[in-house]
Amino acid sequence: KNEVEQSPQNLTAQEGEFITINCSYSVGISALHWLQQHPGGGIVSLFMLSSGKKKHGRLIATINIQEKHSSLHITASHPRDSAVYICAVFQGAQKLVFGQGTRLTINP
Amino acid sequence: EAGVAQSPRYKIIEKRQSVAFWCNPISGHATLYWYQQILGQGPKLLIQFQNNGVVDDSQLPKDRFSAERLKGVDSTLKIQPAKLEDSAVYLCASSPLRNTIYFGEGSWLTVV
Repeated sequence: KNEVEQSPQNLTAQEGEFITINCSYSVGISALHWLQQHPGGGIVSLFMLSSGKKKHGRLIATINIQEKHSSLHITASHPRDSAVYICAVFQGAQKLVFGQGTRLTINP
Repeated sequence: EAGVAQSPRYKIIEKRQSVAFWCNPISGHATLYWYQQILGQGPKLLIQFQNNGVVDDSQLPKDRFSAERLKGVDSTLKIQPAKLEDSAVYLCASSPLRNTIYFGEGSWLTVV
């Protein structure tokens, strides 16, 4: 069993839909990142969370430390949101552990 | 602020040949990572440097992969000899502080 599990692995939706991607982890962490990777592109950190909730534009990320669970929400989804979204957690000594990623496709 | 620079962006080589990838982290970032990302999978850590010392290289296939970080700044990852299963994106990342990380665009390797 992976230390970081994401669901779903693949998600296809229509433009405008509300999107939720979930992440569960089984290890102690110092922070959690939601990363975005476009095809052929590098990886960008969307959010770094250690508690609570953060919002940036149409993106919202939440984390529940007690339940070891985080969610990434996209409101009013758009085709340009199509990408792979990766949950990654920092453990001690700056070790980053990745989930397997969620491939999101938003159709017009 | 300049980002993490990697080169080359794309490389095609034949199996048993060698290849080298270069990474220049963001200035002042003490921690540097090399990851291997096979298509459809999440990144896998190959090696982590703190300044010019190795923190973790437990998943680096040392019979064919080597990496160095001269003077605690830029870094080179070498593969010799390459195998077909080495086809992947090689991502470099750097970190200035605890819990932060910045990724380069990646170097795409195809071994034929």
